Amino acid sequence: DVKVTQSSRYLVKRTGEKVFLECVQDMDHENMFWYRQDPGLGLRLIYFSYDVKMKEKGDIPEGYSVSREKKERFSLILESASTNQTSMYLCASSPTDAGRTYEQYFGPGTRLTVT
Amino acid sequence: KQEVTQIPAALSVPEGENLVLNCSFTDSAIYNLQWFRQDPGKGLTSLLLIQSSQREQTSGRLNASLDKSSGRSTLYIAASQPGDSATYLCAVAGNTPLVFGKGTRLSVIA
Repeated sequence: DVKVTQSSRYLVKRTGEKVFLECVQDMDHENMFWYRQDPGLGLRLIYFSYDVKMKEKGDIPEGYSVSREKKERFSLILESASTNQTSMYLCASSPTDAGRTYEQYFGPGTRLTVT
Repeated sequence: KQEVTQIPAALSVPEGENLVLNCSFTDSAIYNLQWFRQDPGKGLTSLLLIQSSQREQTSGRLNASLDKSSGRSTLYIAASQPGDSATYLCAVAGNTPLVFGKGTRLSVIA
């Protein structure tokens, strides 16, 4: 079974803090993704990565950065947390075949509250 | 830009009923379509993935169909159970990463 784990289920941070969200997958997938999910807005893609040290902006990258130093780990960084970044953050991974991404597997999510 | 719509936003049915959830997308140039289930406060669980060359996929009481030309997919749930209560999301993959619908929140009443 594919397993995607996220470092925390719940996190409370203060405005202005630097926040790290970690995601690890154990299936040697090439692709990894970070989403945020908000009521009424659905899932929105923040960043994704097709390979180690590679990153691509998604739909809402502002205020976020990412790091992928190892294939199995993809980190989301909030450089200076703000209250509008309070959300559920979901990490996913998927394999690649012939340049196409395939079935995505999700982690359990991190509920981040910024006060 | 790809847009995915799911109707209805919420659905309540009595236990045992067969039901259909709908998903439509605007750009038919997709590689695959994936249906997910999400329980409150949890991550997404993949239910079915349909490749663009396929018409349907089945898993237990679930059957998903895909009509690429019309930009539609349906998720059929047979003999619904209270444990099926969750939000169901569809997502399409094309030249960009997955684009998600906002989901249908299903309640199955015992």
